[in-house]
Amino acid sequence: TQLLEQSPQFLSIQEGENLTVYCNSSSVFSSLQWYRQEPGEGPVLLVTVVTGGEVKKLKRLTFQFGDARKDSSLHITAAQPGDTGLYLCAGEGDYKLSFGAGTTVTVRA
Amino acid sequence: GAGVSQSPRYKVAKRGQDVALRCDPISGHVSLFWYQQALGQGPEFLTYFQNEAQLDKSGLPSDRFFAERPEGSVSTLKIQRTQQEDSAVYLCASSLEARGYWTYEQYFGPGTRLTVT
Repeated sequence: TQLLEQSPQFLSIQEGENLTVYCNSSSVFSSLQWYRQEPGEGPVLLVTVVTGGEVKKLKRLTFQFGDARKDSSLHITAAQPGDTGLYLCAGEGDYKLSFGAGTTVTVRA
Repeated sequence: GAGVSQSPRYKVAKRGQDVALRCDPISGHVSLFWYQQALGQGPEFLTYFQNEAQLDKSGLPSDRFFAERPEGSVSTLKIQRTQQEDSAVYLCASSLEARGYWTYEQYFGPGTRLTVT
């Protein structure tokens, strides 16, 4: 059972379009992390957000942490085929990570 | 430097067989985690070591699952009498330290894909 709900489950867009992935929970976490996972590999950390209301930008990726520290979003501007992958959010508490089920993003050239 | 490595990368076991999955964490990393990732799902926590001490095994699904890290570096996840529902990718992660309520960044290995037939 995933404590974090991600939506949508699948997203297929054309190169150059924008996309947003959502991560929601009824629990409060000490931090929330976003990972990208490619087939046959482990998740790779993209960003950690800690403070409620925090916004972090990583090139074309923008991450936001909700004020109540229960939800987060990932926005990608002008998506590229290299952005294709499984995006996972994970809440941290008691040193454990609780992952969402992930959003599979496909960017078509 | 080398990242987290896991072996084997793929394992096919017949139902009822025992399997052992190995994790080599990043050198010097104190904390080690095991996760199970079923098809189409995110990873789920299994167990956590700080050096050789297993501090949390609350995620292990049954007493058929056993993990050890005897010298505080390499870890082995053992599954006895495998069942079909054990089929999943088993991920290992290590971090520099886990302190109190939070942890330093966890670095994941590529996982071992276990298929039980």
